[in-house]
Amino acid sequence: TQLLEQSPQFLSIQEGENLTVYCNSSSVFSSLQWYRQEPGEGPVLLVTVVTGGEVKKLKRLTFQFGDARKDSSLHITAAQPGDTGLYLCAGAKSGNTPLVFGKGTRLSVIA
Amino acid sequence: KAGVTQTPRYLIKTRGQQVTLSCSPISGHRSVSWYQQTPGQGLQFLFEYFSETQRNKGNFPGRFSGRQFSNSRSEMNVSTLELGDSALYLCASSLGLAGAASQETQYFGPGTRLLVL
Repeated sequence: TQLLEQSPQFLSIQEGENLTVYCNSSSVFSSLQWYRQEPGEGPVLLVTVVTGGEVKKLKRLTFQFGDARKDSSLHITAAQPGDTGLYLCAGAKSGNTPLVFGKGTRLSVIA
Repeated sequence: KAGVTQTPRYLIKTRGQQVTLSCSPISGHRSVSWYQQTPGQGLQFLFEYFSETQRNKGNFPGRFSGRQFSNSRSEMNVSTLELGDSALYLCASSLGLAGAASQETQYFGPGTRLLVL
């Protein structure tokens, strides 16, 4: 059973469209991170959210942590081809436990 | 500052062989974590080393092992390779322990893609 479920698994959209991807769990996390991974590279951290209900913006990307700290969403406005990649969410539970990753949403933005 | 480097980048082995992968963390980082990434299971945590000691271990068989040297460089070894070990192996470094409480940022290397035939 995957602790963090990401949806959709695949997403292909036209340049300029908006999109939202989701990261859901039945467990509570002390913090949640979003990463983007491009082909041939390792994941790169985009943001960390730690407070329930927290919203963080990174240019055209908006990240939200659910009030109950069990889920998160990533919204991209006016997607560009450079946004193409695998978006991973990762949750941290408590203490010295390692990060748990979702399987990711593979986004393709077509020019 | 140079990023995390992993060698080799690509590797082909046959079943039953063993393999050693290497990771050089960002200068000054003392923690190195290893992950296995496959299409079916996603990114799964293998183990974390800090100051030459294993601090955390994921749910992988004993065929998977690792170590860290005094300069923080780390190696992981997989013995008696199986077809299912084919994956991208990523290492990530951080200043301190990468556990949940620390919220340390992990920086990933580009990975070693292992194919087991």
